[in-house]
Amino acid sequence: SQTIHQWPATLVQPVGSPLSLECTVEGTSNPNLYWYRQAAGRGLQLLFYSVGIGQISSEVPQNLSASRPQDRQFILSSKKLLLSDSGFYLCASGGEDEKLFFGSGTQLSVL
Amino acid sequence: QKEVEQDPGPLSVPEGAIVSLNCTYSNSAFQYFMWYRQYSRKGPELLMYTYSSGNKEDGRFTAQVDKSSKYISLFIRDSQPSDSATYLCAMSHYGGSQGNLIFGKGTKLSVKP
Repeated sequence: SQTIHQWPATLVQPVGSPLSLECTVEGTSNPNLYWYRQAAGRGLQLLFYSVGIGQISSEVPQNLSASRPQDRQFILSSKKLLLSDSGFYLCASGGEDEKLFFGSGTQLSVL
Repeated sequence: QKEVEQDPGPLSVPEGAIVSLNCTYSNSAFQYFMWYRQYSRKGPELLMYTYSSGNKEDGRFTAQVDKSSKYISLFIRDSQPSDSATYLCAMSHYGGSQGNLIFGKGTKLSVKP
């Protein structure tokens, strides 16, 4: 089965600072990769998904960007964080059968 | 009307109770139905997966899909304190996993010893 590694678990950043969250996947090849944000009471919001190296689709306009430099690596970035970027960020990996497997998440607090 | 509706709870039950969690949906094209369990400050983990209609059982967990009513359920028998978590339903209308999975907002369950 696949394992999704996501770090750090907790991050506190000042407004205006850059962000880089990394996700790597083991146990599968050529996965579809996803970044979600989860806010209290608002459910899971899909931010980006990727079907292959260098292929990124964005679901919502935002202050964030994503990149996929390798088959099993997915990176979430921002040049300047906003207060509204605070939340619980989840990386996920999936395949043809719609099953998603999630990492353990990063709690980001922008102060 | 939202695509997927899920009662947020919280739901509190005594240990050993039968728990029923439900979601309704509006898109009749949904074919893939899932339940995820999420412990506090952790990522969701896939609990049950069903394609199209019918029931699926795995240990103390049973997932039901009623496409005619656009209604899915997760039953937990002999609930345990370790079942205390948020349960998310999710569904999609076709394979290929192009970011089509629609999630409910989750129901928070607390099982009291």
